[in-house]
Amino acid sequence: DIVMTQTPLSSPVPLGQPASISCRSSQSLVHSDGNTYLSWLQQRPGQPPRLLIYKISNRFSGVPDRFSGSGAGTDFTLKISRVKSEDVGVYYCMQGAQFPQTFGQGTKVEIK
Amino acid sequence: EVQLVESGGGLVKPGGSLRLSCAASGFTFTNAWMSWVRQAPGKGLEWVGRIKSKTDGGTIDYAAPVKGRFTISRDDSKNTLYLQMNSLKTEDTAVYYCTTVSVKNWGQGTLVTVSS
Repeated sequence: DIVMTQTPLSSPVPLGQPASISCRSSQSLVHSDGNTYLSWLQQRPGQPPRLLIYKISNRFSGVPDRFSGSGAGTDFTLKISRVKSEDVGVYYCMQGAQFPQTFGQGTKVEIK
Repeated sequence: EVQLVESGGGLVKPGGSLRLSCAASGFTFTNAWMSWVRQAPGKGLEWVGRIKSKTDGGTIDYAAPVKGRFTISRDDSKNTLYLQMNSLKTEDTAVYYCTTVSVKNWGQGTLVTVSS
């Protein structure tokens, strides 16, 4: 199985400041169809996960543009340009390039 | 609006069984590949298994920890996904989420507690 490793595991950020989360996969996430199936999910406290970003950098419907994704191959980054209080929660990267889908450990974003 | 609503969770003793359901609406369920993902208390997300659409062969795959104990099925006439869980262990305690394989849509989850 592909192992997904996130850093940091915890990120205290002042309101209005940027946040960045890294995700590294143990193998390339480039699928045979040419797409790279790396997604980012947000889980607010007490809520189910919610898709933010798919295929590295595509924002899902309704996701604010302060969220952006980048990367290639095995190294990926989620950035929040200016953290708001509603961004508090745990963020997961997830790969769908190779069966089975696997998730990173999660990064807790909190307000400093 | 896409909706996924899980039900069937509860408290069960080790070795017991439980069947979860996920009622889907707002999209063409017949064409959808569906997954179950679980989350143990205070822990991260763990993929449990998936079922392809019947038109894509209906193949079912499971994560190693549940293979041979859990069974995923679907009733396209009822737009419903199922997870039959047998021989439950304490480590199966988790919130179980129903999701599309694309993870674009998630249910609210249903809590399964395995304890004596």
